[in-house]
Amino acid sequence: ETGVTQSPTHLIKTRGQQVTLRCSSQSGHNTVSWYQQALGQGPQFIFQYYREEENGRGNFPPRFSGLQFPNYSSELNVNALELDDSALYLCASSSPAARDTEAFFGQGTRLTVV
Amino acid sequence: RKEVEQDPGPFNVPEGATVAFNCTYSNSASQSFFWYRQDCRKEPKLLMSVYSSGNEDGRFTAQLNRASQYISLLIRDSKLSDSATYLCVVTLSGNTPLVFGKGTRLSVIA
Repeated sequence: ETGVTQSPTHLIKTRGQQVTLRCSSQSGHNTVSWYQQALGQGPQFIFQYYREEENGRGNFPPRFSGLQFPNYSSELNVNALELDDSALYLCASSSPAARDTEAFFGQGTRLTVV
Repeated sequence: RKEVEQDPGPFNVPEGATVAFNCTYSNSASQSFFWYRQDCRKEPKLLMSVYSSGNEDGRFTAQLNRASQYISLLIRDSKLSDSATYLCVVTLSGNTPLVFGKGTRLSVIA
């Protein structure tokens, strides 16, 4: 396995609620990226954290926010959930020093908004 | 135009067949290229990196044509266990985000 763990694995929320997803990065990796994968689509980049600072953001609204902690673990927060937020949320850890920018993915959190 | 485009699929092939996946990317500044494999309801996993000189790993061969901004993956002697979605991925240099194609689903049939 990759050493990247995400929690929870599955989650059901109601429209309008807020959710926090968590990710523990692989040992030695200081960069965490979050992706949203809707059914039948490829993963879409949400944002990236490097050494506790946001280091790039994709085309997602401000209600998607994040955080990275000193141990490089990370959280993804989504406010005012919408039905279209139902997706697999993937966390990937990497290191600038890693060969070929290889990113290691966690198993994902499957979020269902009803 | 999407940044990374792949064959729409799905590909349904018999065991032992050779199958090729194609991918194009729009950002000519892209520097790193990969194929990831994703099993149903699982996370993507790196299958192989793609180099300009082409590279081979057992039954898998990847090619990159920078001039055409085209990437390919060839799978020879398909196995049932090759059934998965294959994602074409590009990125700018360094620790920049991965840009994924939509993926092409492969089903290898006995």
